Amino acid sequence: DAKTTQPNSMESNEEEPVHLPCNHSTISGTDYIHWYRQLPSQGPEYVIHGLTSNVNNRMASLAIAEDRKSSTLILHRATLRDAAVYYCILRDRYSGAGSYQLTFGKGTKLSVIP
Amino acid sequence: DGGITQSPKYLFRKEGQNVTLSCEQNLNHDAMYWYRQDPGQGLRLIYYSQIVNDFQKGDIAEGYSVSREKKESFPLTVTSAQKNPTAFYLCASTMGLAWNTEAFFGQGTRLTVV
Repeated sequence: DAKTTQPNSMESNEEEPVHLPCNHSTISGTDYIHWYRQLPSQGPEYVIHGLTSNVNNRMASLAIAEDRKSSTLILHRATLRDAAVYYCILRDRYSGAGSYQLTFGKGTKLSVIP
Repeated sequence: DGGITQSPKYLFRKEGQNVTLSCEQNLNHDAMYWYRQDPGQGLRLIYYSQIVNDFQKGDIAEGYSVSREKKESFPLTVTSAQKNPTAFYLCASTMGLAWNTEAFFGQGTRLTVV
C-alpha cells in the first residue's frame, strides 16, 4: 500500500472548523482515500472516502488536492465528541487478495478544547 | 440493528493458557478481519477471511489461530505460543473488496495476561 503521512496531534477549539491534513505523495491512480476515526477504548469508525472529487457526508468533508498527493478531512464544527485519533488510509482497487487489508498507521490525535 | 459484536470486552488470561475471542456480525458481510492494537500504536492485521472456510495470515499471525465455519462468525484463539498477548483486539468486516466499501469494527476485547 502507498504510504500516508499525518501529524501526530492537533488541537481545535470547540465549535470551530478543523482541517486534518494527510500527505500521500506516492498515491496511484487507483488508490481510494479513506478516513476512519477511533475514540478512546473503542473500535475505529468509518468517516468518509473518495477517489478524485471532494466528498461530503453528514460527518465530514474530504477535500482532495488536484494532483491527489494530499487530502484534508474537514470537520465543520468540532465538538467534544470529535476528540479521537483520525486515520488516513489508501486502498488500492487492484491489490488483489491484499486489497482486503486495511493498513492503519498511528494517525492524528485530535484534542478539542471546550 | 446490524453490527459486529465482540465478546468479552475484558479478558484476563494466565500465562500458558489459550483463550478464544468471539466475533459475530449480522451484516451479511463476506470478509472479516482481526487486528491487534498496542498502546499508542496503529492497528496490525492478524488474520483475515474473504469467505467461509477460507482465511489468510496477516502481518502478525504467529501465535494466533482462527476459524471461519460460518459467515457470521470469526473467532480468534490466542495461543500460549504468542509471546506478548496483552493488547486490544479488534474485529472488523466488509461487504467485499475493502477499497471501495467501509469497514465496520467491533468495540474490541482488551486482553491482559496475568
